[in-house]
Amino acid sequence: EIVLTQSPDTLSLSPGERATLSCRTSQSVSSSSLAWYQQKPGQAPSLLVYGASSRATGVPDRFRGSGSGTDFILTISRLEPEDFAVYYCQQYGISPLTFGGGTKVEIK
Amino acid sequence: EVQLLESGGGLVQPGGSLRLSCVVSGLTFTNYAMNWVRQAPGKGLEWVSPSAPYSADSVEGRFTISRDNFKNTLYLQMNSLRVEDTAVYYCVKVASGGYYFDQWGQGILVTVSS
Repeated sequence: EIVLTQSPDTLSLSPGERATLSCRTSQSVSSSSLAWYQQKPGQAPSLLVYGASSRATGVPDRFRGSGSGTDFILTISRLEPEDFAVYYCQQYGISPLTFGGGTKVEIK
Repeated sequence: EVQLLESGGGLVQPGGSLRLSCVVSGLTFTNYAMNWVRQAPGKGLEWVSPSAPYSADSVEGRFTISRDNFKNTLYLQMNSLRVEDTAVYYCVKVASGGYYFDQWGQGILVTVSS
């Protein structure tokens, strides 16, 4: 199965700062079949990005996904208070579907 | 508005069984694939796939996913439950454009403990 490694584990930043989250896959992911999710405490995850770079409906444009092959990035251009959460990547190019371990973005 | 509402969770002893249900509203249920994703306490997300050859060793032969299209309901039958199956189980809708999940239920807690 494809292993997804997210880094860093925790990102400590202030509101207004830029966040850069990494997701590396153990094999190349076909057709950029990579999604990102946001999970706030006590809530279900919600879809942010699919196809590596397409924002889901209603997702603000400060969220940007990029990358291909084995290296993917989620960038949050200017952190808003509601963006402090855990972020997961998921590959869906090859079964079994797998998730990364998550990156927590916390307030510094 | 799309809604996915799970039920059927709770406390069960090791070796026991439980069936989760997920009632879906706000969309044409028959048009979409549905799945389950689980999250152990304080841990990450895991796709629950009991179907070989994609099944995780952890659930193969013990879990079964089914659906009733007349009731707009997805089920997860869990047998021979283990302590490590303790998790929040999310019902998820598979997107039209790929096997990612664009709608999630609020989740239901399953605790396996003696």
